[in-house]
Amino acid sequence: AQTVTQSQPEMSVQEAETVTLSCTYDTSESDYYLFWYKQPPSRQMILVIRQEAYKQQNATENRFSVNFQKAAKSFSLKISDSQLGDAAMYFCAYRRGMTGGGADGLTFGKGTHLIIQP
Amino acid sequence: SAVISQKPSRDICQRGTSLTIQCQVDSQVTMMFWYRQQPGQSLTLIATANQGSEATYESGFVIDKFPISRPNLTFSTLTVSNMSPEDSSIYLCSVVRPGLEKLFFGSGTQLSVL
Repeated sequence: AQTVTQSQPEMSVQEAETVTLSCTYDTSESDYYLFWYKQPPSRQMILVIRQEAYKQQNATENRFSVNFQKAAKSFSLKISDSQLGDAAMYFCAYRRGMTGGGADGLTFGKGTHLIIQP
Repeated sequence: SAVISQKPSRDICQRGTSLTIQCQVDSQVTMMFWYRQQPGQSLTLIATANQGSEATYESGFVIDKFPISRPNLTFSTLTVSNMSPEDSSIYLCSVVRPGLEKLFFGSGTQLSVL
């Protein structure tokens, strides 16, 4: 079974600085997707970024980018120019691809609480 | 993104009662998923609901405790039965947007059991 590990329960960064959140995963599948979700106190789960395992190029969405190391099974999230609105819980998640059945939900890591200091 | 309406947003219930949570999507989707998020914890998948078939439950979750209905491609319900304080959690539904391989979430139901 696949597992997702986030080893940083909490991270703190100064506003406008850059922070990197770590995530590792374990799977025997070759076709899968990785995600970062943000959950502010409103509890709404917001998709931040998605990476397809078959793509070598790292995904980027504005100030958010990932460092996807497939061989190392690592998927870190970099947030540049941190803003107060970035404060939230961040969850790394895995989903098997369609060639492996694709009927699965997401497997989540335990989350990292990101604090933005003004 | 998908528009997902989840109701109720929160409820306080008595031990031994049941609560049904509704999830309505603005377009047809094949798969809907139900998650539980216990206080201060991550999300755990309860079950996958496909239209026209029995829901598939994850290890540790059973149909008698969490019956699910999926009457059509835009709607699903999750019932939390015979509740105890240990059922106090946030319950979220999510859907896969066809062709996008992205999962979108409802706003969640905050359940407190006294």
